[in-house]
Amino acid sequence: KAGVTQTPRYLIKTRGQQVTLSCSPISGHRSVSWYQQTPGQGLQFLFEYFSETQRNKGNFPGRFSGRQFSNSRSEMNVSTLELGDSALYLCASSPGVRGNEQYFGPGTRLTVT
Amino acid sequence: DAKTTQPPSMDCAEGRAANLPCNHSTISGNEYVYWYRQIHSQGPQYIIHGLKNNETNEMASLIITEDRKSSTLILPHATLRDTAVYYCIVRVLNRDDKIIFGKGTRLHILP
Repeated sequence: KAGVTQTPRYLIKTRGQQVTLSCSPISGHRSVSWYQQTPGQGLQFLFEYFSETQRNKGNFPGRFSGRQFSNSRSEMNVSTLELGDSALYLCASSPGVRGNEQYFGPGTRLTVT
Repeated sequence: DAKTTQPPSMDCAEGRAANLPCNHSTISGNEYVYWYRQIHSQGPQYIIHGLKNNETNEMASLIITEDRKSSTLILPHATLRDTAVYYCIVRVLNRDDKIIFGKGTRLHILP
């Protein structure tokens, strides 16, 4: 079975721009979660989608948003980029049933200049 | 905030067992202990989880104390490829998949 894939793997944007990151979960998985990882704050939960509905949300400003499509693929969007948004953005998928372990993708490295 | 405390770093000789401790003194009765690891520049990888009994799989063993206030992840024969940051997490098996990560333990395997 193919793993979680994320595109693009690397991205450079300038302040004020917006960015869209994509995540394709493992086939059959219905839950997709997004995390931000920075050296200072570590791994932080952004949000989770299950069957096209946001099921949980972390403590991030409204500039961070996401969505999930009927095929379970998910996108996250960051608008009005700030330097502090430079991070590794990780996506994880699971079947979405209580207690399943999550499988993480390789991440998208976003650099904001 | 993360409900676990781990040493920031540890060393282990290649071929020896790596024992990574985790303190979770405020764990609730319905919270499980999970372990993930993150090898440099990759996404975290699930290792093992347990509630109160010891667990073993092909990657590692998890030993949870009887009072459930601490646990130890054991990598029986550490190799250089086990060099990674190891995260100990406690979570309720709710319907959602939110994970609160702490700072983890950076494990160095020494040749």
